[in-house]
Amino acid sequence: EVQLAESGGGLVQPGGSLRLSCAVSGFTFSSYSMNWVRQAPGKGLEWVSYISSGSSRIYYADSVKGRFTISRDNAKNSLFLQMNSLRAEDTAVYYCTRDVRRLAFFDSWGQGTLVTVSS
Amino acid sequence: DIQMTQSPSSLSASVGDRVTITCRASQSISNYLNWYQQKPGKAPKLLIYDASSLQSGVPSRFSGSRSGTDFTLTISSLQPEDFATYYCQQSYNSPLTFGGGTKVEIK
Repeated sequence: EVQLAESGGGLVQPGGSLRLSCAVSGFTFSSYSMNWVRQAPGKGLEWVSYISSGSSRIYYADSVKGRFTISRDNAKNSLFLQMNSLRAEDTAVYYCTRDVRRLAFFDSWGQGTLVTVSS
Repeated sequence: DIQMTQSPSSLSASVGDRVTITCRASQSISNYLNWYQQKPGKAPKLLIYDASSLQSGVPSRFSGSRSGTDFTLTISSLQPEDFATYYCQQSYNSPLTFGGGTKVEIK
């Protein structure tokens, strides 16, 4: 069974940093591209970042470019999102998702981890 | 960026009704359009990919179609478990973008 489990969310002050992790199991992690997608409270879905299976291709939404860094460790079946210079508008549930093709659609999602940016 | 406009933003329907949700792209995206269902407090679930391909395990009452830059998600006979919010998403190019969502409520 495919499983994705995010962790690392919490309350952080504006300007602070947080590192999200996503542990995966049930599939060959190194064969799949991955993404982060977020959802602000009561709002819709927003794609955040993409990383290819071998980390050679990385893309970001303009709203996080220069502040967030996506990475992965294929040996540890883990995906990461380093978030710096956090703003109130980054408050959201962050989901890690499995990508079926390069920047395509997401056939598996984690349960999400809530990031709250507030003083 | 490609804008995805969903309509309606909400609708009320009864069990057994045929429900149609529309998503319009701001430019041509070929068939690179996907649909998700999200229930409160849960992660989204993939229903339809590439405009009309049914994801494995999804009931056949769900279907998708395309006409130009207009895409439609149809639920042929609404079931109690289908009350949820539905999102479209384009995968034609980066940045990937979603529609604003359609909340399907019980009439």
